[in-house]
Amino acid sequence: EAGVTQFPSHSVIEKGQTVTLRCDPISGHDNLYWYRRVMGKEIKFLLHFVKESKQDESGMPNNRFLAERTGGTYSTLKVQPAELEDSGVYFCASSPQGLVPYNEQFFGPGTRLTVL
Amino acid sequence: AQSVTQLGSHVSVSEGALVLLRCNYSSSVPPYLFWYVQYPNQGLQLLLKYTSAATLVKGINGFEAEFKKSETSFHLTKPSAHMSDAAEYFCAVSVDFGNEKLTFGTGTRLTIIP
Repeated sequence: EAGVTQFPSHSVIEKGQTVTLRCDPISGHDNLYWYRRVMGKEIKFLLHFVKESKQDESGMPNNRFLAERTGGTYSTLKVQPAELEDSGVYFCASSPQGLVPYNEQFFGPGTRLTVL
Repeated sequence: AQSVTQLGSHVSVSEGALVLLRCNYSSSVPPYLFWYVQYPNQGLQLLLKYTSAATLVKGINGFEAEFKKSETSFHLTKPSAHMSDAAEYFCAVSVDFGNEKLTFGTGTRLTIIP
């Protein structure tokens, strides 16, 4: 079974440009999460999808960030326009919907974004 | 709101020695607690989790952690370090049922000395 995949693995852009990150969750996983790690800091929650609906977007930094999840499958995270402080590693995770106390999140390898 | 503190951003131990990575949490409700590991160029992998069952939790690769409510701690241990344990380790907490977002600590990079 394929794991969570993210594309691209690395992206280097200039300030003011637009970048779109993609996440393909494990097939059948209704929950999809985005997290970000700025260098030297903790990994922070950005938002949570259940299927195609945004369940919680309380961690989104500002309106330059737009996340979508088409048809409840893959998700994209667009940053427009990018600023220097957006640099970091963006992780995607997915988990099944279930009745157990906690559904394990499976993480992708991350996209390293560098804004110059 | 919940938070996680990991003491020591870098820890070095000799091969064969005890590994102890410290994690303290803050939560107003009973938490779920996790340890994740990240090897180079890979995603985070779940090592173990505490979900209010046994307080001593055993995970993969010989790791275990003990939930101590009185100390608000969830330290990760392994009796004998192996070279393959070199990685970055993250402690995390979740308390939101239905939206199981994780709150992470800043991570501890473990180096194994041959």
